[in-house]
Amino acid sequence: GAVVSQHPSWVICKSGTSVKIECRSLDFQATTMFWYRQFPKQSLMLMATSNEGSKATYEQGVEKDKFLINHASLTLSTLTVTSAHPEDSSFYICSAPRMDRGYGYTFGSGTRLTVV
Amino acid sequence: GENVEQHPSTLSVQEGDSAVIKCTYSDSASNYFPWYKQELGKRPQLIIDIRSNVGEKKDQRIAVTLNKTAKHFSLHITETQPEDSAVYFCAATFPYNTDKLIFGTGTRLQVFP
Repeated sequence: GAVVSQHPSWVICKSGTSVKIECRSLDFQATTMFWYRQFPKQSLMLMATSNEGSKATYEQGVEKDKFLINHASLTLSTLTVTSAHPEDSSFYICSAPRMDRGYGYTFGSGTRLTVV
Repeated sequence: GENVEQHPSTLSVQEGDSAVIKCTYSDSASNYFPWYKQELGKRPQLIIDIRSNVGEKKDQRIAVTLNKTAKHFSLHITETQPEDSAVYFCAATFPYNTDKLIFGTGTRLQVFP
């Protein structure tokens, strides 16, 4: 149980365009979804926390107008990178609290974004 | 602020030796401490975790110890094997702030045959 499906697994886009990444909880309802970004050889950095039906909470230094997060249902959270630039190229991964265990987290498979 | 520090950043050991990675956290309210192994381009894989009501947990060659007073926890791998070579991350939850999970900076472990 506690599976999060993340799509796409990789995407290449042109500078200035927007890219949407989806995370779906397949066998549980995710009221909360955490979004991370990971640059090569670095750690996973928390970008924002999305909560179903309310505004996302962004970490310090993360541009909320650039990284749009929507959590419109209990099974879907999306991250849209708007007006993407090469420096946005990174590995993006979502995570949700594991409701089946009562503690712990489950992760999506990640999205490799390359902006050219 | 919410912070998890991890040391060392790289660790090289001979096959069969033990490896120890240490982490400290900033919030005494943190109550869950997982350890992950990550392959390049893949999601983090949970290898062991510990909750704050326990001081030590062991799973075969892997153990985690927690010192709540000092706010640090450690990963111990015994009888290391070349396939243990990977990047390891510690993490801690911050329960007063949406229970978010903050990661340490990572340790690249290399086990030489």
